[in-house]
Amino acid sequence: DSGVTQTPKHLITATGQRVTLRCSPRSGDLSVYWYQQSLDQGLQFLIQYYNGEERAKGNILERFSAQQFPDLHSELNLSSLELGDSALYFCASSVGLAPLGELFFGEGSRLTVL
Amino acid sequence: KNEVEQSPQNLTAQEGEFITINCSYSVGISALHWLQQHPGGGIVSLFMLSSGKKKHGRLIATINIQEKHSSLHITASHPRDSAVYICALHFSTDKLIFGTGTRLQVFP
Repeated sequence: DSGVTQTPKHLITATGQRVTLRCSPRSGDLSVYWYQQSLDQGLQFLIQYYNGEERAKGNILERFSAQQFPDLHSELNLSSLELGDSALYFCASSVGLAPLGELFFGEGSRLTVL
Repeated sequence: KNEVEQSPQNLTAQEGEFITINCSYSVGISALHWLQQHPGGGIVSLFMLSSGKKKHGRLIATINIQEKHSSLHITASHPRDSAVYICALHFSTDKLIFGTGTRLQVFP
């Protein structure tokens, strides 16, 4: 058990809908990272928050947004969903910023868009 | 050109064999991660390296910053080592770039 909790584990929805994925980092970790893993793209870094503020941005679509709350949990919002958004979404946490933080991964949220 | 290249893409081994997975990159980084992903999908961080060598049980990871190359070694491989191994580049901006992974199968 990594100590990182992601909910929901599985989610099935329709095109055009909006979903929210939630991540609770390990106790004491200030950084939260979001990743997308699809069959054809592999693992892609989406976005990182550190202590409530956006720190780094990767290949995150404009239809996606994220935030980190004062209690350090984070949410990834995916809107106007398309079939291609079907993927595993992972979050990871670390205690600090590069290169100090070993990454601890959640079990992922599997999103299926029909 | 990809910033990170992993080799081999696929690897099969007999139980007990020594295994090496390589990761080469072309950019300056703060650290490099080796990750393990099991068929169920969960990802475990094995090592984070910024220099030198680390060892954990039967796993050894090395990095050569000058040559921009890292290796993951598994000694005395076991079927439970079967997984996808992924290297990830960690930049000073905290952005990460992942390799495409090496799928390892160890047969008894």
